[in-house]
Amino acid sequence: QKEVEQNSGPLSVPEGAIASLNCTYSDRGSQSFFWYRQYSGKSPELIMFIYSNGDKEDGRFTAQLNKASQYVSLLIRDSQPSDSATYLCAVNSLRGGGFKTIFGAGTRLFVKA
Amino acid sequence: DTEVTQTPKHLVMGMTNKKSLKCEQHMGHRAMYWYKQKAKKPPELMFVYSYEKLSINESVPSRFSPECPNSSLLNLHLHALQPEDSALYLCASALAGVGNEQFFGPGTRLTVL
Repeated sequence: QKEVEQNSGPLSVPEGAIASLNCTYSDRGSQSFFWYRQYSGKSPELIMFIYSNGDKEDGRFTAQLNKASQYVSLLIRDSQPSDSATYLCAVNSLRGGGFKTIFGAGTRLFVKA
Repeated sequence: DTEVTQTPKHLVMGMTNKKSLKCEQHMGHRAMYWYKQKAKKPPELMFVYSYEKLSINESVPSRFSPECPNSSLLNLHLHALQPEDSALYLCASALAGVGNEQFFGPGTRLTVL
């Protein structure tokens, strides 16, 4: 079992629709959770972070965390073609001397105009 | 200053060369990271420095040697690399302590001939 799992996609949604991206993780001791957006050839850009169970909203983005189910998701409302990118789920766990960040393989999102 | 900078942007080196990658941030972050990213794969953690001390080394080959001269600078010294080491090398920084969100630099695209 991979430590952080995402559906690789591609996920294709029409412009204006809601895109739903999902991620599961295996380490129950994980403490913080992040969503990064990465355009082809560019570095990852932080979109959202969440530490507590429940929902966290920031503009068109909502992160949802369920620690009991070891599940974190990202909703993108009113999707735009510029949202087309790979979305990386990242999970922080305390390991040895520090916090280790493990990335999922990423979900490719296409928003069709 | 709210960004992480990396130099050079591109680097081509032979297997017998010695080169260094540089990373700098002035956000007061005390955790700094090196990642390696191959095409269509997620970033893979290489090293973590916390308060200028190496806290995580992900069993990276000794041909990669990290250095953190001060809280703002992070170097990655390269020697006797292999063609399979060609990748995007990403630096990131974060507030140290509780697994805070990381901010990535633009990366160095490394090609080993």
